Amino acid sequence: ELKVEQNPLFLSMQEGKNYTIYCNYSTTSDRLYWYRQDPGKSLESLFVLLSNGAVKQEGRLMASLDTKARLSTLHITAAVHDLSATYFCAVVVFGNEKLTFGTGTRLTIIP
Amino acid sequence: ETGVTQSPTHLIKTRGQQVTLRCSSQSGHNTVSWYQQALGQGPQFIFQYYREEENGRGNFPPRFSGLQFPNYSSELNVNALELDDSALYLCASSQAGSYYGYTFGSGTRLTVV
Repeated sequence: ELKVEQNPLFLSMQEGKNYTIYCNYSTTSDRLYWYRQDPGKSLESLFVLLSNGAVKQEGRLMASLDTKARLSTLHITAAVHDLSATYFCAVVVFGNEKLTFGTGTRLTIIP
Repeated sequence: ETGVTQSPTHLIKTRGQQVTLRCSSQSGHNTVSWYQQALGQGPQFIFQYYREEENGRGNFPPRFSGLQFPNYSSELNVNALELDDSALYLCASSQAGSYYGYTFGSGTRLTVV
């Protein structure tokens, strides 16, 4: 059974600092997604990573994928308060179209 | 291009009752998936519908059932509601064979009392 783990679960960081969220998964994947969720809201798609070595960047967020290590990272550069949210990674395995989500990382940016 | 629409947005039900949640898929999408998100947890896959047939199911009991209609909209039905069914229910639409299209609706917040 596919397991997806994220760490840290909670992250409190100061504005202007850099940090990385890690997403590990237990079996070979077809693709990996990163989502953002604000409190009480739905999921906003951030990135889809399709292949080994894939890197995507949007503003202060950059995601990468290492399929050999079964690891994806979401790097935050010079954090700003607007990035406060819960971030989820989700994995899709070959032949099965369901998303298996990680535990989520609750990110709080402190002014 | 319309997004994914879910209704109702909030619902309060009594234990033992039945509930139906609705989802209209995004234009151009033919697959609908349903997820349950309990407070403080990640979404859990309930099931997926493609061409009006169930196309995969998670670890949920049979009292969770669904339908997909010819226009690709979908319903999630839950019978004999339990307190633990209280959660945010999310619908996601996608196009079969596409890697990019998981669009989530705004969700239905179900509270069982």
